[in-house]
Amino acid sequence: GAGVSQSPSNKVTEKGKDVELRCDPISGHTALYWYRQSLGQGLEFLIYFQGNSAPDKSGLPSDRFSAERTGGSVSTLTIQRTQQEDSAVYLCASSSRDSPLGTEAFFGQGTRLTVV
Amino acid sequence: AQSVTQLDSQVPVFEEAPVELRCNYSSSVSVYLFWYVQYPNQGLQLLLKYLSGSTLVKGINGFEAEFNKSQTSFHLRKPSVHISDTAEYFCAVSGSARQLTFGSGTQLTVLP
Repeated sequence: GAGVSQSPSNKVTEKGKDVELRCDPISGHTALYWYRQSLGQGLEFLIYFQGNSAPDKSGLPSDRFSAERTGGSVSTLTIQRTQQEDSAVYLCASSSRDSPLGTEAFFGQGTRLTVV
Repeated sequence: AQSVTQLDSQVPVFEEAPVELRCNYSSSVSVYLFWYVQYPNQGLQLLLKYLSGSTLVKGINGFEAEFNKSQTSFHLRKPSVHISDTAEYFCAVSGSARQLTFGSGTQLTVLP
């Protein structure tokens, strides 16, 4: 596609429910990243995929958070038993190269998650 | 480990005035440095990057930044700002890891 696409753009969920956030990277990009942007915390790295594997998941805040990537393309970030502190904008980015320079990333517009 | 400090959380400036947004970083390895801009309700857009070579890098929309290794800084500058430059600006660093580490952001507000 022309850019990184994320869906939904907005999600309101009740505390305790599970949510799935989707990211469609730019076609051909092998690297995919999830970040979380919240007030007072700035932009936090969550997880990095190279192809379908996740060599770096060090930023996932708890075991309620998981992510997968299939076919080297679409990625899903799942949050189980959501809590109010999970409210944030979740940003996905993709990059065309697997190298330190692979961090020249293109970002989607994000999913704004609100847990009520 | 690496970190980024953006010294100013908010910078108000009048239209057509110059602006400098400050960024300092720390890292134990060689780094690559980036500035991203985020307009309201949008994702991040890359403004410019320093990978190697000339320490003065030019980006989109008339912005430039200078890499200063001795001062571990990568300040962003524009000689004359426009109303449309109002946005949040993020400095970021990457090193041996493939992730970007971001600063806390600077809200630039251009006043008429």
